[in-house]
Amino acid sequence: GAVVSQHPSWVICKSGTSVKIECRSLDFQATTMFWYRQFPKQSLMLMATSNEGSKATYEQGVEKDKFLINHASLTLSTLTVTSAHPEDSSFYICSGVAGGGEKLFFGSGTQLSVL
Amino acid sequence: QKEVEQNSGPLSVPEGAIASLNCTYSDRGSQSFFWYRQYSGKSPELIMFIYSNGDKEDGRFTAQLNKASQYVSLLIRDSQPSDSATYLCAVTDPRTGGFKTIFGAGTRLFVKA
Repeated sequence: GAVVSQHPSWVICKSGTSVKIECRSLDFQATTMFWYRQFPKQSLMLMATSNEGSKATYEQGVEKDKFLINHASLTLSTLTVTSAHPEDSSFYICSGVAGGGEKLFFGSGTQLSVL
Repeated sequence: QKEVEQNSGPLSVPEGAIASLNCTYSDRGSQSFFWYRQYSGKSPELIMFIYSNGDKEDGRFTAQLNKASQYVSLLIRDSQPSDSATYLCAVTDPRTGGFKTIFGAGTRLFVKA
């Protein structure tokens, strides 16, 4: 299967700081990258959809100024959590899709803890 | 009504038994159906996908789809302790032309050695 590399795996930060999460598709070109958030024992909730070279589309209720997404190339998408607060603590996962496919190839996830 | 519903479990089965995981979905227009396995603290991994009514087998896994009943299931034969995980049912969202995927909350499976 296709490989999506996600870094960092976990991060602890102070309230008010910003955190950047990177996802790279290693052996395919991810025309679309989905960003999900998952709270303990809950399902994946789609936050936003990014397409290479265009602005991300955010789901209802997700603050686009707080969760900055950049998809500068077909192999790299980043999510920056700006001015993080404890309620932003969650498991963030990216997922790449190649050329109109439906199968999702997930990154390994980033556990964010905001103190 | 949730768009994709699963029993949260936990479902506990003895090693070697058949584990049966069930899922219902609300939108008749959904066309593609997936089962993902997620170990604790890890991201989901695709294990099965099915598009047509009936059964699809891959090794110890069988996915079953009944579009008339809006029902998808996953059978795991000869269950192993390593199968212990949360299994997420996912369907494509027809409102987005199948572009987006909707996930159920998952069923936790424990396989007892």
